[in-house]
Amino acid sequence: AQSVTQLDSHVSVSEGTPVLLRCNYSSSYSPSLFWYVQHPNKGLQLLLKYTSAATLVKGINGFEAEFKKSETSFHLTKPSAHMSDAAEYFCVVSGLTGRRALTFGSGTRLQVQP
Amino acid sequence: NAGVTQTPKFQVLKTGQSMTLQCAQDMNHEYMSWYRQDPGMGLRLIHYSVGAGITDQGEVPNGYNVSRSTTEDFPLRLLSAAPSQTSVYFCASSYSSGGTSGNTIYFGEGSWLTVV
Repeated sequence: AQSVTQLDSHVSVSEGTPVLLRCNYSSSYSPSLFWYVQHPNKGLQLLLKYTSAATLVKGINGFEAEFKKSETSFHLTKPSAHMSDAAEYFCVVSGLTGRRALTFGSGTRLQVQP
Repeated sequence: NAGVTQTPKFQVLKTGQSMTLQCAQDMNHEYMSWYRQDPGMGLRLIHYSVGAGITDQGEVPNGYNVSRSTTEDFPLRLLSAAPSQTSVYFCASSYSSGGTSGNTIYFGEGSWLTVV
């Protein structure tokens, strides 16, 4: 079985300060991991993905995530938040096929204060 | 390249009515799926397809039907709409499902459905 836990449902930061969105996963397989972003009333956009290559993954808009197998974590970070980063972020694990192909976290809403 | 196209974007239905959400992709993807998104619950899989003519149930299939007659299209049918089906629906596609291939999953823009 596989599961994803996003440890914070809501994160608030000030513009220009670092962002940390936490994700832990559980999988019986070697998973692929993704972070998606969803702006209000929009679809989901891929930020970055881990596919068993480099453990530090760089994505779009300055985001990056580090795969830590020993901690079963895949936290998303950004050195300096912008107002445009305010959105909902989803951690997704993929490691099986069929109906269990993708498992979504419940989401973290990022608020950026001016 | 249009990616994944969903229609309609917004729809209001009366309880008991039926309707079809359309989904089309132009990337020749084998795998297509439908999700519903409800507050605080992430995305939950309704139905999925691994190729033309092959569909299977996901986590929350009750009240929905799908078919996959072509590689490009994967419509979702609500048979008799209920208020519990008020949600945002997303169609997604990728080259294949699951595994460590890490195939990117592409999502449509979403369909906001309200059942009154």
